Amino acid sequence: GQQLNQSPQSMFIQEGEDVSMNCTSSSIFNTWLWYKQEPGEGPVLLIALYKAGELTSNGRLTAQFGITRKDSFLNISASIPSDVGIYFCAGSHNDMRFGAGTRLTVKP
Amino acid sequence: SQTIHQWPATLVQPVGSPLSLECTVEGTSNPNLYWYRQAAGRGLQLLFYSVGIGQISSEVPQNLSASRPQDRQFILSSKKLLLSDSGFYLCAWSPGGDREAFFGQGTRLTVV
Repeated sequence: GQQLNQSPQSMFIQEGEDVSMNCTSSSIFNTWLWYKQEPGEGPVLLIALYKAGELTSNGRLTAQFGITRKDSFLNISASIPSDVGIYFCAGSHNDMRFGAGTRLTVKP
Repeated sequence: SQTIHQWPATLVQPVGSPLSLECTVEGTSNPNLYWYRQAAGRGLQLLFYSVGIGQISSEVPQNLSASRPQDRQFILSSKKLLLSDSGFYLCAWSPGGDREAFFGQGTRLTVV
């Protein structure tokens, strides 16, 4: 099946800094999605991208669907302590696959 | 609005015992349904997905099986649990057509 390579694996940043993470794949996807998961809970959808080249924002979050349909990035601007969690990318092409996640720690 | 229910929230089972985890969706029809497993500190591994009643696709050979007896019900089962079956199991639904998926709260399974 399709494999998604998500990086970085973890990030330790200071409150107020910007964050960037990305996902790449050898396969194309019709949809790219970004989720956030907090301990003991299911992932929550942050942003959904449906078209190659699409750039979408949700508050301080911005994500883009790569033009080749094989990659996506997520940026978080001006991080705050509640941004802490694990962020997952996901690609959908008939079924839905997930990256390994980026664990974000924000120091006040 | 659509909701997804997954239960139980936590489960401790002995090795060799059977398993049945249930997931139901409300407020939609003919959803795509998914079962994922997440090991501690790891990503989500797709176990099964279903595009309709009785239609199950399995991603990895394993000790588990899935069934979809009704349109909005997805069940994950095992006849005999192994220690390696421990993990966080997540059910999800999507409208299909490569749309976004929405997750249940998960079941923490510990096999002892």
